[in-house]
Amino acid sequence: NAGVMQNPRHLVRRRGQEARLRCSPMKGHSHVYWYRQLPEEGLKFMVYLQKENIIDESGMPKERFSAEFPKEGPSILRIQQVVRGDSAAYFCASSRGRQETQYFGPGTRLLVL
Amino acid sequence: KQEVTQIPAALSVPEGENLVLNCSFTDSAIYNLQWFRQDPGKGLTSLLLIQSSQREQTSGRLNASLDKSSGRSTLYIAASQPGDSATYLCAVQISAGTYKYIFGTGTRLKVLA
Repeated sequence: NAGVMQNPRHLVRRRGQEARLRCSPMKGHSHVYWYRQLPEEGLKFMVYLQKENIIDESGMPKERFSAEFPKEGPSILRIQQVVRGDSAAYFCASSRGRQETQYFGPGTRLLVL
Repeated sequence: KQEVTQIPAALSVPEGENLVLNCSFTDSAIYNLQWFRQDPGKGLTSLLLIQSSQREQTSGRLNASLDKSSGRSTLYIAASQPGDSATYLCAVQISAGTYKYIFGTGTRLKVLA
């Protein structure tokens, strides 16, 4: 049973470009959480999604960031017009249900030049 | 608002020492608490998960305790080895709403050979 998969593992973008980060949850998991880890910091919650629904996006910046989890395919975290401050590791976690243990993916490391 | 603090921020010990990492949280209404290990530039490895009704969990040389009433958890590492060098993250899963994880900023451990 494969774990949570994220791709790409590393992503380099120039300021102003778009970044798309993908997360495939574990089999049977329909809940996805995105967390961001800035350099030398702990992980911070960004957004929580269930299939086709955003449940809580209170941790996500209001502008330039969006997330989706379509009926088919992976969850996508999209950052438009990236800035240097977006450089971070973005982790996805999945679970069977809201009150279940979350399993973390390996992360995507975004570097904005 | 739940906040998680880890002390010390960094720790350097000679090989073979027993050591204790501390984690404190401000709201005792947690669903569970989890300790992770993170190697530089890598993802999270789950070490121990303690449900809110439990007092401790053990795995090999690791023992984690939980005292919800005082808002504290400790991770005890016996007979430390250079391979234990990593950042150790404590995370609490809140017991309402989204059940998201709140992470501490970690303890950076270095075990000297």
